[in-house]
Amino acid sequence: DTAVSQTPKYLVTQMGNDKSIKCEQNLGHDTMYWYKQDSKKFLKIMFSYNNKELIINETVPNRFSPKSPDKAHLNLHINSLELGDSAVYFCASSPSLRRGGLRTYEQYFGPGTRLTVT
Amino acid sequence: AQSVTQPDIHITVSEGASLELRCNYSYGATPYLFWYVQSPGQGLQLLLKYFSGDTLVQGIKGFEAEFKRSQSSFNLRKPSVHWSDSAEYFCAVGARSGGSNYQLTFGKGTLLTVNP
Repeated sequence: DTAVSQTPKYLVTQMGNDKSIKCEQNLGHDTMYWYKQDSKKFLKIMFSYNNKELIINETVPNRFSPKSPDKAHLNLHINSLELGDSAVYFCASSPSLRRGGLRTYEQYFGPGTRLTVT
Repeated sequence: AQSVTQPDIHITVSEGASLELRCNYSYGATPYLFWYVQSPGQGLQLLLKYFSGDTLVQGIKGFEAEFKRSQSSFNLRKPSVHWSDSAEYFCAVGARSGGSNYQLTFGKGTLLTVNP
Protein backbone atom coordinates (compact mmCIF):
# COMPACT_ATOMS: atom_id res chain seq x y z
CA ASP A 1 0.00 0.00 0.00
CA THR A 2 1.43 3.34 -1.08
CA ALA A 3 1.68 5.77 1.84
CA VAL A 4 2.03 9.01 -0.14
CA SER A 5 1.09 8.93 -3.80
CA GLN A 6 1.29 11.53 -6.53
CA THR A 7 -0.19 11.75 -10.00
CA PRO A 8 1.00 12.10 -12.62
CA LYS A 9 4.54 10.83 -12.36
CA TYR A 10 5.56 12.75 -15.48
CA LEU A 11 3.99 15.90 -16.86
CA VAL A 12 5.10 17.60 -20.05
CA THR A 13 3.34 20.79 -21.05
CA GLN A 14 3.82 24.06 -22.85
CA MET A 15 4.48 27.49 -21.46
CA GLY A 16 1.39 29.39 -20.46
CA ASN A 17 -0.69 26.31 -19.66
CA ASP A 18 -2.35 25.61 -16.32
CA LYS A 19 -1.76 22.22 -14.70
CA SER A 20 -2.40 20.36 -11.48
CA ILE A 21 -0.54 17.68 -9.57
CA LYS A 22 -2.46 15.51 -7.16
CA CYS A 23 -1.23 14.15 -3.86
CA GLU A 24 -2.86 11.68 -1.53
CA GLN A 25 -1.68 10.17 1.73
CA ASN A 26 -3.21 7.24 3.56
CA LEU A 27 -1.15 7.61 6.73
CA GLY A 28 -3.75 9.57 8.65
CA HIS A 29 -1.40 12.56 8.88
CA ASP A 30 -2.83 16.00 9.30
CA THR A 31 -0.02 18.07 7.80
CA MET A 32 1.02 17.98 4.15
CA TYR A 33 3.72 19.72 2.17
CA TRP A 34 4.91 20.51 -1.31
CA TYR A 35 8.60 20.69 -2.20
CA LYS A 36 10.38 21.64 -5.38
CA GLN A 37 13.60 19.88 -6.35
CA ASP A 38 15.60 21.71 -8.97
CA SER A 39 18.02 20.30 -11.52
CA LYS A 40 20.82 20.39 -8.94
CA LYS A 41 18.77 18.22 -6.61
CA PHE A 42 18.22 21.07 -4.14
CA LEU A 43 14.97 20.61 -2.19
CA LYS A 44 13.02 23.65 -1.17
CA ILE A 45 9.78 23.84 0.77
CA MET A 46 6.94 25.51 -1.09
CA PHE A 47 3.98 25.06 1.23
CA SER A 48 3.02 23.40 4.45
CA TYR A 49 -0.63 22.92 5.24
CA ASN A 50 -2.93 21.44 7.80
CA ASN A 51 -6.59 21.97 8.32
CA LYS A 52 -5.92 25.15 10.18
CA GLU A 53 -2.94 26.83 8.62
CA LEU A 54 -1.36 27.37 5.24
CA ILE A 55 2.23 28.46 5.40
CA ILE A 56 3.61 29.73 2.13
CA ASN A 57 7.26 30.11 1.37
CA GLU A 58 7.57 33.76 0.45
CA THR A 59 9.68 32.97 -2.59
CA VAL A 60 6.93 30.91 -4.24
CA PRO A 61 5.15 32.80 -7.05
CA ASN A 62 1.43 33.26 -6.58
CA ARG A 63 0.92 31.24 -9.76
CA PHE A 64 1.31 28.25 -7.46
CA SER A 65 -1.58 27.40 -5.17
CA PRO A 66 -2.25 24.39 -2.97
CA LYS A 67 -5.80 23.13 -2.62
CA SER A 68 -6.91 20.60 -0.06
CA PRO A 69 -10.34 19.00 -0.54
CA ASP A 70 -9.83 16.96 2.62
CA LYS A 71 -7.12 15.97 5.10
CA ALA A 72 -5.80 13.18 2.90
CA HIS A 73 -5.25 15.30 -0.20
CA LEU A 74 -3.19 18.33 -1.09
CA ASN A 75 -3.16 19.20 -4.77
CA LEU A 76 -0.84 21.70 -6.40
CA HIS A 77 -2.22 24.02 -9.05
CA ILE A 78 0.11 25.94 -11.29
CA ASN A 79 -1.10 28.71 -13.56
CA SER A 80 0.67 30.21 -16.56
CA LEU A 81 3.53 27.75 -16.51
CA GLU A 82 7.02 29.06 -17.20
CA LEU A 83 10.21 27.33 -18.33
CA GLY A 84 11.70 27.83 -14.87
CA ASP A 85 8.94 25.77 -13.33
CA SER A 86 10.52 22.64 -14.78
CA ALA A 87 11.54 20.54 -11.78
CA VAL A 88 10.55 17.54 -9.72
CA TYR A 89 7.77 18.30 -7.26
CA PHE A 90 7.43 16.22 -4.13
CA CYS A 91 4.48 15.93 -1.84
CA ALA A 92 5.05 14.92 1.78
CA SER A 93 3.05 14.42 4.93
CA SER A 94 3.78 14.27 8.62
CA PRO A 95 2.01 13.55 11.83
CA SER A 96 1.72 16.21 14.46
CA LEU A 97 0.83 13.80 17.15
CA ARG A 98 2.63 13.24 20.37
CA ARG A 99 4.17 9.81 20.78
CA GLY A 100 5.11 9.00 24.32
CA GLY A 101 5.16 12.67 25.18
CA LEU A 102 7.38 13.61 22.27
CA ARG A 103 6.05 15.42 19.26
CA THR A 104 7.43 13.86 16.10
CA TYR A 105 7.81 15.64 12.82
CA GLU A 106 9.30 13.17 10.39
CA GLN A 107 7.97 13.62 6.91
CA TYR A 108 7.08 10.93 4.44
CA PHE A 109 7.56 11.70 0.79
CA GLY A 110 5.74 10.73 -2.35
CA PRO A 111 7.58 9.46 -5.44
CA GLY A 112 7.67 12.86 -7.11
CA THR A 113 6.25 14.39 -10.28
CA ARG A 114 8.70 15.42 -12.96
CA LEU A 115 7.32 18.54 -14.64
CA THR A 116 8.81 19.63 -17.94
CA VAL A 117 7.71 22.91 -19.44
CA THR A 118 8.55 23.41 -23.10
CA ALA B 1 16.94 31.02 10.04
CA GLN B 2 18.06 27.43 10.06
CA SER B 3 20.48 26.00 7.53
CA VAL B 4 22.20 22.73 6.71
CA THR B 5 25.59 22.22 5.11
CA GLN B 6 26.73 19.00 3.52
CA PRO B 7 30.35 19.71 2.62
CA ASP B 8 30.81 16.75 0.30
CA ILE B 9 29.03 16.93 -3.04
CA HIS B 10 30.14 13.53 -4.28
CA ILE B 11 31.82 10.62 -2.49
CA THR B 12 33.03 7.42 -4.09
CA VAL B 13 33.87 4.36 -2.02
CA SER B 14 34.47 0.69 -2.68
CA GLU B 15 31.96 -1.92 -1.64
CA GLY B 16 32.67 -3.12 1.88
CA ALA B 17 34.37 0.10 2.93
CA SER B 18 33.14 2.19 5.82
CA LEU B 19 31.29 5.40 5.16
CA GLU B 20 30.80 8.73 6.87
CA LEU B 21 28.73 11.52 5.33
CA ARG B 22 29.08 14.89 6.97
CA CYS B 23 26.30 17.24 7.98
CA ASN B 24 26.50 20.52 9.86
CA TYR B 25 23.47 22.52 10.87
CA SER B 26 22.68 25.97 12.12
CA TYR B 27 19.65 26.43 14.33
CA GLY B 28 19.03 28.51 17.40
CA ALA B 29 17.15 25.93 19.41
CA THR B 30 17.37 22.19 19.99
CA PRO B 31 17.33 20.74 16.50
CA TYR B 32 15.29 17.93 15.10
CA LEU B 33 17.61 16.24 12.60
CA PHE B 34 16.99 13.79 9.81
CA TRP B 35 18.77 11.85 7.13
CA TYR B 36 16.94 10.91 3.95
CA VAL B 37 18.07 8.84 0.98
CA GLN B 38 16.95 9.30 -2.61
CA SER B 39 17.62 6.59 -5.15
CA PRO B 40 17.60 7.61 -8.82
CA GLY B 41 14.11 8.49 -10.00
CA GLN B 42 12.64 7.84 -6.58
CA GLY B 43 11.24 9.84 -3.72
CA LEU B 44 12.95 10.43 -0.41
CA GLN B 45 13.08 7.70 2.18
CA LEU B 46 13.67 8.46 5.84
CA LEU B 47 16.83 6.72 7.11
CA LEU B 48 16.85 7.96 10.67
CA LYS B 49 15.96 10.86 12.92
CA TYR B 50 17.09 12.55 16.09
CA PHE B 51 14.73 14.36 18.43
CA SER B 52 16.25 13.97 21.86
CA GLY B 53 17.89 11.47 24.17
CA ASP B 54 20.67 9.15 23.04
CA THR B 55 22.90 11.05 20.65
CA LEU B 56 23.70 7.92 18.63
CA VAL B 57 20.67 6.93 16.62
CA GLN B 58 20.15 3.81 14.59
CA GLY B 59 18.30 3.78 11.34
CA ILE B 60 17.28 1.47 8.56
CA LYS B 61 19.62 -0.33 6.17
CA GLY B 62 22.41 -0.47 8.77
CA PHE B 63 22.93 3.28 8.99
CA GLU B 64 23.56 5.24 12.16
CA ALA B 65 24.17 8.90 12.94
CA GLU B 66 25.65 10.75 15.86
CA PHE B 67 24.44 14.12 17.09
CA LYS B 68 27.23 16.32 18.42
CA ARG B 69 25.88 19.55 19.78
CA SER B 70 29.31 21.07 20.37
CA GLN B 71 30.16 20.63 16.70
CA SER B 72 26.65 21.29 15.34
CA SER B 73 27.01 18.07 13.43
CA PHE B 74 24.90 15.04 12.62
CA ASN B 75 27.13 12.75 10.57
CA LEU B 76 25.82 9.61 8.95
CA ARG B 77 27.83 6.40 9.15
CA LYS B 78 27.76 2.85 7.91
CA PRO B 79 30.45 0.28 8.73
CA SER B 80 30.31 -1.54 5.41
CA VAL B 81 28.57 -0.21 2.31
CA HIS B 82 26.91 -2.20 -0.43
CA TRP B 83 26.64 -1.21 -4.08
CA SER B 84 22.90 -0.74 -3.53
CA ASP B 85 23.68 2.13 -1.15
CA SER B 86 24.59 4.27 -4.17
CA ALA B 87 22.16 7.18 -3.97
CA GLU B 88 21.78 10.82 -3.00
CA TYR B 89 21.76 11.48 0.75
CA PHE B 90 20.13 14.49 2.30
CA CYS B 91 20.51 15.85 5.80
CA ALA B 92 17.70 18.04 7.11
CA VAL B 93 16.87 20.11 10.16
CA GLY B 94 13.31 20.59 11.35
CA ALA B 95 12.09 23.94 12.58
CA ARG B 96 8.87 25.78 13.16
CA SER B 97 7.58 27.51 10.05
CA GLY B 98 4.91 29.54 11.78
CA GLY B 99 1.97 28.66 13.94
CA SER B 100 1.95 24.99 14.68
CA ASN B 101 3.48 24.00 11.36
CA TYR B 102 6.91 22.52 11.16
CA GLN B 103 9.10 22.29 8.10
CA LEU B 104 12.35 20.73 6.99
CA THR B 105 15.32 22.60 5.63
CA PHE B 106 17.51 20.35 3.54
CA GLY B 107 21.17 20.36 2.74
CA LYS B 108 22.19 20.21 -0.91
CA GLY B 109 22.83 16.51 -0.73
CA THR B 110 25.79 14.17 -1.08
CA LEU B 111 25.91 11.79 -3.99
CA LEU B 112 27.33 8.44 -2.93
CA THR B 113 28.77 6.10 -5.51
CA VAL B 114 29.73 2.62 -4.35
CA ASN B 115 32.00 0.72 -6.70
CA PRO B 116 31.50 -3.06 -6.72
